[in-house]
Amino acid sequence: NAGVTQTPKFQVLKTGQSMTLQCAQDMNHEYMSWYRQDPGMGLRLIHYSVGAGITDQGEVPNGYNVSRSTTEDFPLRLLSAAPSQTSVYFCASSYAGFNSPLHFGNGTRLTVT
Amino acid sequence: AQSVTQLDSHVSVSEGTPVLLRCNYSSSYSPSLFWYVQHPNKGLQLLLKYTSAATLVKGINGFEAEFKKSETSFHLTKPSAHMSDAAEYFCVVSESGNQFYFGTGTSLTVIP
Repeated sequence: NAGVTQTPKFQVLKTGQSMTLQCAQDMNHEYMSWYRQDPGMGLRLIHYSVGAGITDQGEVPNGYNVSRSTTEDFPLRLLSAAPSQTSVYFCASSYAGFNSPLHFGNGTRLTVT
Repeated sequence: AQSVTQLDSHVSVSEGTPVLLRCNYSSSYSPSLFWYVQHPNKGLQLLLKYTSAATLVKGINGFEAEFKKSETSFHLTKPSAHMSDAAEYFCVVSESGNQFYFGTGTSLTVIP
């Protein structure tokens, strides 16, 4: 029972490069989301999805794109990496949104130079 | 609008003494409230949740929290700290709208 799986665990990018952070869950959760964690700021929501084909913006969506073609997968794309996107990224899913607890992946540590 | 305030960024306790991590929230409706723990270089793990049932909520590893609507608080407690409790703790609030709002975290240090 894998839960929420994120890849890669670590990534270093140069400014302007693009990449995709992968997130997959095997719990048949409808709700999936991406957060970034920065020191002293808690976790901030980037994008979320309440089901396949449905996505919406969170608190800090600029510079990131998402899509949800299947229930299981919710990739996060950085279109043109900037040093301000250096952070730890967490994917989380839940059964039914706000009333259900989030299940987290182990995170991706991204450094943009 | 929803928000979460964790009143202490750092808490230090001696092993075997009680733990109190404070959380206040603002919410327009009946919120769901959660506490998560994050050990170094790990993801977040659910400790406990409040979703409009009993106001005293018991979680894993001996933690519990009490929902006090009049004080808009959801403080996390544990009677006796263990070395393995050293971690970062996050209070989270959510209501309709499918968004979860995180506090900035409280770092718990346990002194042997």
